[in-house]
Amino acid sequence: DIQMTQSPSSLSASVGDRVTITCQASQDISNSLNWYQQKPGKVPELLIYDASTLETGVPSRFSGSGSGTDFTFTISRLQPEDIATYYCHQYDDLPFTFGQGTKLEIK
Amino acid sequence: QELLVQSGAEVKKPGASVTVSCKASGFTVTDYHFHWVRQAPGHGLEWMGWINPDSGDTNYAPKIQGRVTMTTDTSINTVYMELNRLKSDDTAVYYCARDRPRGMDVWGQGTMVTVSS
Repeated sequence: DIQMTQSPSSLSASVGDRVTITCQASQDISNSLNWYQQKPGKVPELLIYDASTLETGVPSRFSGSGSGTDFTFTISRLQPEDIATYYCHQYDDLPFTFGQGTKLEIK
Repeated sequence: QELLVQSGAEVKKPGASVTVSCKASGFTVTDYHFHWVRQAPGHGLEWMGWINPDSGDTNYAPKIQGRVTMTTDTSINTVYMELNRLKSDDTAVYYCARDRPRGMDVWGQGTMVTVSS
């Protein structure tokens, strides 16, 4: 199985800050990576697919980059409504796997 | 509107089985793959497997292989996940999600399954 290692596991930042989360795959997954946002008590929501393509309707302050084994998710200017846990997810090879999540809090 | 509506919460004893249904509206299940994802209380997302309703093909996570079965009833536009020989660490919220593909774009509301003696 492909292991997805996310860091950090938790993060505290101020409104307006630039926030970066990384995800490392245990083997090359090309660009077969999604990023999901899960707000407290809510269903996960797809933000980014193919490592860097923004899902329709997702604000442009969210972005993703990377390929192969190393990926980055960025929020350019943190907003209060971005409080959530973020997960990477690889779909290059079965069984598909999630990272362990990054819980983002506001300072 | 494209929706997935799941069945209600379940409480089961260890060793029992549970079946969670996921009914699609606004689209046809045979046009997509469907994932099942679970989340234990206070924990992250765990991919359980997926099904191609058109072919019936499935793929399951090794951790639950042998205990899980995913099926479809195309006549009522519904996919199902059955988990057998339940254990306490199967207590979780279970989600179905449509594969767009290359991303889970429509999710059910989640079904809480509690395993307790």
